[in-house]
Amino acid sequence: QVQLQESGPGLVKPSETLSLTCSVSGGSISSYYWSWIRQSPGKGLEWIGCIYYTGTTNYNPSLQSRVTISVDTSKTHFSLKLTSVTAADTAVYYCAGGPGINWYFDLWGRGTLVTVSS
Amino acid sequence: EIVLTQSPGTLSLSPGERATLSCRASQSVSRNYLAWYQHKPGQAPRLLIYGASNRATGIPDRFSGSGSGTDFILTISRLEPEDFALYYCQQYGSSPRTFGQGTKVEIK
Repeated sequence: QVQLQESGPGLVKPSETLSLTCSVSGGSISSYYWSWIRQSPGKGLEWIGCIYYTGTTNYNPSLQSRVTISVDTSKTHFSLKLTSVTAADTAVYYCAGGPGINWYFDLWGRGTLVTVSS
Repeated sequence: EIVLTQSPGTLSLSPGERATLSCRASQSVSRNYLAWYQHKPGQAPRLLIYGASNRATGIPDRFSGSGSGTDFILTISRLEPEDFALYYCQQYGSSPRTFGQGTKVEIK
């Protein structure tokens, strides 16, 4: 079965760039649309953006100016970059997969906590 | 964007009881594209229901979803010990996809 695993620094300084990777194992990266989702402390889940293996992307307008999601099909992973971070970007970041670019998510990673602090 | 409001915030019930969770949308959810997820601490969220009423693969039939338009319900007919968790609704009828803030089902 397909499994997802997030990785990346757990601490990022304000104004710097948050970078995370999601490794996809047990299945083809071309079979799903891949998303990043986050949950800030005490808040609900927020969809960040989505990518297909062809490179087609769709971002949440609230974060679009700071987000880049990319996919590396040869290495079966996809990545998130979020620039100019502030404390408000502190959250658990999840990678997830679904059957369409604007669809539900039937694959999830366990999430990784990223704290923005100097 | 569509705002989803879940109620109650916390539901205190005993094993074997019936749980009814509500998800209300700020505007009609196109094609009833509404999903429900279960989330336990330290684990990956799990898809339970999609399309408002379709159980995902491997989900027990004690979980059922209903509703349309702006009002949706997740029902757990008889709570098992492993069902005590957080539950989120999510709409995917319009972009951006949005989630409710969650309902915690806790042991009474």
